[in-house]
Amino acid sequence: DTAVSQTPKYLVTQMGNDKSIKCEQNLGHDTMYWYKQDSKKFLKIMFSYNNKELIINETVPNRFSPKSPDKAHLNLHINSLELGDSAVYFCASSFSGAGELFFGEGSRLTVL
Amino acid sequence: RKEVEQDPGPFNVPEGATVAFNCTYSNSASQSFFWYRQDCRKEPKLLMSVYSSGNEDGRFTAQLNRASQYISLLIRDSKLSDSATYLCVVNMKGKTSYDKVIFGPGTSLSVIP
Repeated sequence: DTAVSQTPKYLVTQMGNDKSIKCEQNLGHDTMYWYKQDSKKFLKIMFSYNNKELIINETVPNRFSPKSPDKAHLNLHINSLELGDSAVYFCASSFSGAGELFFGEGSRLTVL
Repeated sequence: RKEVEQDPGPFNVPEGATVAFNCTYSNSASQSFFWYRQDCRKEPKLLMSVYSSGNEDGRFTAQLNRASQYISLLIRDSKLSDSATYLCVVNMKGKTSYDKVIFGPGTSLSVIP
């Protein structure tokens, strides 16, 4: 059983489209995250949720809208996709205060 | 200044060598520290936590110097399978007191036969 699962794994789309990435964890964690890893391989935090509440929003453009319907799910919707949005998006989860993050396999987004 | 800084490398070392990675962090209130490993086109995975007293796990030794805001990772007797990117990770509590887990840019290691 996959602990943190993301779908889709690969996404190729045109500029201007809207797309969503879904994430689910079955570890019982109370905190979930979205990270973006660009072509330079730098892993940058975007959002963090604790028990469905948004707690970190790292100056991400408002075209990116996370949604957490419950503490086991954190989805990411992106409007009006731009070339610079091409990256690997990683979902992760943890227990609050524990520090160890468990990552999904990543969703590789390519915007043409 | 970036919140977590590392020498990006690459470090190219022969099998059996000892290699050390360094990391500095900017927030003196940071609470916990880790080294993660990321293989090519894979997700990051925890390698080890870093404690003030230092800790060792087999060939890997991690050290923390809170006064200098400096973390290190030492790998002894390098194996080909150690080739990966090593990420220094710092948990800086955010303004809400919740976790804010920041990754360094990573140091690339290639172990050569």
